[in-house]
Amino acid sequence: EAGVAQSPRYKIIEKRQSVAFWCNPISGHATLYWYQQILGQGPKLLIQFQNNGVVDDSQLPKDRFSAERLKGVDSTLKIQPAKLEDSAVYLCASSPTLAGELFFGEGSRLTVL
Amino acid sequence: AQSVTQPDIHITVSEGASLELRCNYSYGATPYLFWYVQSPGQGLQLLLKYFSGDTLVQGIKGFEAEFKRSQSSFNLRKPSVHWSDAAEYFCAVGAFYNQGGKLIFGQGTELSVKP
Repeated sequence: EAGVAQSPRYKIIEKRQSVAFWCNPISGHATLYWYQQILGQGPKLLIQFQNNGVVDDSQLPKDRFSAERLKGVDSTLKIQPAKLEDSAVYLCASSPTLAGELFFGEGSRLTVL
Repeated sequence: AQSVTQPDIHITVSEGASLELRCNYSYGATPYLFWYVQSPGQGLQLLLKYFSGDTLVQGIKGFEAEFKRSQSSFNLRKPSVHWSDAAEYFCAVGAFYNQGGKLIFGQGTELSVKP
């Protein structure tokens, strides 16, 4: 069974530029999460989708971050404009249910200079 | 508010020695509890989970964890550590409800293994 796929694995940008990350969850998983993991910290939830609807985006900085999950499968997370403090690993996870184990991708590491 | 505390930021153990990583949680209801491991440059892999039932949970790679409600703890243990166990370990509590939910993670414990 294929796991959660993310791309790109690494991205370096200047502050005020934009960046987008893509996630393809495990087939059949209705729930998709984006987490932000800053160096030395645990992952923090940014947004949760159930199919193509948003369940929780309370921690998403909506002035610069946006996310969508068209057709309830793939998802894209965008940052525009990026700030230095956005340097982090962005982890995508999926789950077959609303309450249960999360399966994580390898993450997309963002460096903002 | 739900929270997870991992008191030890970094632990070093000798190969073959036993290991215990501490985790304390704050949650109003019966928690779902998880331990994940993260190797450098990798995503998080589930080691074990507790939903209900037996409070001693067995996981992969020889790990186990014990849920102690009275102490709000879910400590991870392994009787004999291998060099390949060096990684970052995260405890998480599942804050789930009818319409959704999420995992709330601790800050992690980095494990180093001495030869």
